[in-house]
Amino acid sequence: ETGVTQSPTHLIKTRGQQVTLRCSSQSGHNTVSWYQQALGQGPQFIFQYYREEENGRGNFPPRFSGLQFPNYSSELNVNALELDDSALYLCASSPPMGMNTEAFFGQGTRLTVV
Amino acid sequence: DQQVKQNSPSLSVQEGRISILNCDYTNSMFDYFLWYKKYPAEGPTFLISISSIKDKNEDGRFTVFLNKSAKHLSLHIVPSQPGDSAVYFCAASGGADGLTFGKGTHLIIQP
Repeated sequence: ETGVTQSPTHLIKTRGQQVTLRCSSQSGHNTVSWYQQALGQGPQFIFQYYREEENGRGNFPPRFSGLQFPNYSSELNVNALELDDSALYLCASSPPMGMNTEAFFGQGTRLTVV
Repeated sequence: DQQVKQNSPSLSVQEGRISILNCDYTNSMFDYFLWYKKYPAEGPTFLISISSIKDKNEDGRFTVFLNKSAKHLSLHIVPSQPGDSAVYFCAASGGADGLTFGKGTHLIIQP
């Protein structure tokens, strides 16, 4: 059973650019969530995907968007990057919706915006 | 508006003793609570959880207590071991809005 994997592990982008981060969910998990963790803070919920549709969104602007594919893998896209977008981006997968259960996290992608 | 609060940024405990990490929440809609452990350069690792219908859940050295009336939960680690040194996050869930995390407590186990 493979865990949650994210790519790339590190990334440096320039302000105003666009970035795509990728995540492969754990086997058997059809729900994927993305979180942003700024330095010294806890992870903050960006959005969640279930069956290829966004199902739940945190307090993030529309320039944060995502996709989920038929194999349940997911992408996080951020347009018009700002310096404050520098953070660790975490992907988490969990079993089917409707169950209170733990989310399993990947190792994260460290994004630096300069 | 911080809905999950971990008021101790750090905690130092001697090896072999009990570590107690605390967490408070404000949202009455939260019905599931989790503790995660995080090492540097790794993603959070699930430790233990508790549903709002329970007041205690135990798994080996880890026990989580939930006091719904006080909107407070705590994680007890007994006995504490050097490998327990990490940042611990309390998280809460109340629907489809993902997990709400606290800012974390850095636990340091001293030999």
